[in-house]
Amino acid sequence: DAMVIQNPRYQVTQFGKPVTLSCSQTLNHNVMYWYQQKSSQAPKLLFHYYDKDFNNEADTPDNFQSRRPNTSFCFLDIRSPGLGDAAMYLCATSKSGLGSYEQYFGPGTRLTVT
Amino acid sequence: DAKTTQPTSMDCAEGRAANLPCNHSTISGNEYVYWYRQIHSQGPQYIIHGLKNNETNEMASLIITEDRKSSTLILPHATLRDTAVYYCIVNYSGAGSYQLTFGKGTKLSVIP
Repeated sequence: DAMVIQNPRYQVTQFGKPVTLSCSQTLNHNVMYWYQQKSSQAPKLLFHYYDKDFNNEADTPDNFQSRRPNTSFCFLDIRSPGLGDAAMYLCATSKSGLGSYEQYFGPGTRLTVT
Repeated sequence: DAKTTQPTSMDCAEGRAANLPCNHSTISGNEYVYWYRQIHSQGPQYIIHGLKNNETNEMASLIITEDRKSSTLILPHATLRDTAVYYCIVNYSGAGSYQLTFGKGTKLSVIP
């Protein structure tokens, strides 16, 4: 089945140690999103790629970066994780074009910062 | 900020219809109403969307008032697996990408 895959599902990192979360998709969608969801809160969009074009949300900290080397893969880099960055990180995809309205989400990566 | 208002929580008996309301009084003419749900420890899942007309799919029905200021998501025969947080989201979706701004959602508990 076509899907959005996130690895790893659980990630533990140390305070200040860079960490990379990965997302891959078999849907061949041209738009990919990263959301952050802290405990008991709603998901919050960090940024998204429309094809190769990177679109950052205004309030996303500089500590968060992203790479998209090809259509299928997208990475979230946290350069210096703080305790406040502990959260579930959700990757989603969508297809642009008329009639395309659905975002497909992966299962998420739960990040713990020690 | 989210453009919608939803009750914080609701209960529904298993097998009964679950009716989840959403207020979106500032909705613009070209904005759609989306519903997503998030089962515990999973990613959000798309349910349905609509612009003006009522919509139905295999998961749910969406009833939008004529003035488009509110809507109701209906799960016709709720099961225990429908226990989740349900998000009502209003956004424009043109031909490009679009951003989902999640509000607090409604925590639906389906009770045996």
